[in-house]
Amino acid sequence: QQQVRQSSQSLTVWEGETAILNCSYENSAFDYFPWYQQFPGEGPALLIAIRSVSDKKEDGRFTIFFNKREKNLSLHIKDSQPGDSATYFCAASASSGSWQLIFGSGTQLTVMP
Amino acid sequence: NAGVIQTPRHKVTGKGQEATLWCEPISGHSAVFWYRQTIVQGLEFLTYFRNQAPIDDSGMPKERFSAQMPNQSHSTLKIQSTQPQDSAVYLCASSLGGSAETLYFGSGTRLTVL
Repeated sequence: QQQVRQSSQSLTVWEGETAILNCSYENSAFDYFPWYQQFPGEGPALLIAIRSVSDKKEDGRFTIFFNKREKNLSLHIKDSQPGDSATYFCAASASSGSWQLIFGSGTQLTVMP
Repeated sequence: NAGVIQTPRHKVTGKGQEATLWCEPISGHSAVFWYRQTIVQGLEFLTYFRNQAPIDDSGMPKERFSAQMPNQSHSTLKIQSTQPQDSAVYLCASSLGGSAETLYFGSGTRLTVL
């Protein structure tokens, strides 16, 4: 049973469009949700994160929308650029076991020029 | 700051051989994590050290995998009697405060077991 689920394995958008990556989770105890970005040959890197007390977190072109009732969240990448082409992982952790970060399976984003 | 350093970048072993993977965390970080990444299973937590002490090894396959952190500047993951199903990218990460809130990952070691 996947505790963190990313519905799309891959997503392709055109340069300048908004890419929307979706994520859902099972465990109501999860209260911290980071998104990691991974380029080929590199390790994942933290992109942006949100806590469950918020419903939106914005950082430049990246925005997380969070729905606690529905147990889902999405990462919006505004004005997508070819350099945003990477794999994006949604993750979750609970305060009680805060070293355990559960990752989704990832969405490979391709931004076409 | 060179980030988390993992060596080697690639390792090829024969079935049944031993593999030792090395990780140097970011200086001053109190926590070290090991993850395994495969296409099928994604990113799987293996083990976690805080201030060099082993805290959680619940993700480690019990029989052939072991991890150590003999000092604050490096950790090792050892796989004995490697099997083809151990082929994966092994990622080490460190964090400043001990939680998983901001993990800094290394580039990983790609292990191939023939």
